[in-house]
Amino acid sequence: ILNVEQSPQSLHVQEGDSTNFTCSFPSSNFYALHWYRWETAKSPEALFVMTLNGDEKKKGRISATLNTKEGYSYLYIKGSQPEDSATYLCAPHNTNAGKSTFGDGTTLTVKP
Amino acid sequence: DGGITQSPKYLFRKEGQNVTLSCEQNLNHDAMYWYRQDPGQGLRLIYYSQIVNDFQKGDIAEGYSVSREKKESFPLTVTSAQKNPTAFYLCASSLLGHTEAFFGQGTRLTVV
Repeated sequence: ILNVEQSPQSLHVQEGDSTNFTCSFPSSNFYALHWYRWETAKSPEALFVMTLNGDEKKKGRISATLNTKEGYSYLYIKGSQPEDSATYLCAPHNTNAGKSTFGDGTTLTVKP
Repeated sequence: DGGITQSPKYLFRKEGQNVTLSCEQNLNHDAMYWYRQDPGQGLRLIYYSQIVNDFQKGDIAEGYSVSREKKESFPLTVTSAQKNPTAFYLCASSLLGHTEAFFGQGTRLTVV
């Protein structure tokens, strides 16, 4: 089983704060990494797919970076809003079978 | 609308009974997955399938069985051999390769 660690486990910030969290994974046999956002009472939804070392992706106020050599990805949220409150999951792929292993997630709560 | 449907949303069963969770998708995806989530933990892969009539065990397959007779359907049976069946179960589908997964709304199974 691939060891995927996400930190912190939970985060409470004020509206307007910027924040970031980490996904760590074994650097060997890397194929791709997905970030998902999982809001309460909804299904997880994909945010980014990252494949190359040095990849940077951005969607609005949310961005992500990838370092495959050292085995980590950062997710950044600039100017957090209450609607950003969710659990953020990372899922690296270490096989060519398409299946991925999920981290336990970082649960973000943004207070107005 | 295209999507992935799980039913039922809540399911209660007596200990020792087998129970089957339904998962249907109309996204024309080849790959389908079953995950389990326990409180405070991430998603753990139970089974996955990349083609009709073929499936592979994930990280926690013991006590579960699946079938893939149709591309659209990937039902999961929780057998009496599963020691701790009470959990939240998520089904997902994707195109082949390292593409994003689309998730259903989940089924919360409680065994009493």
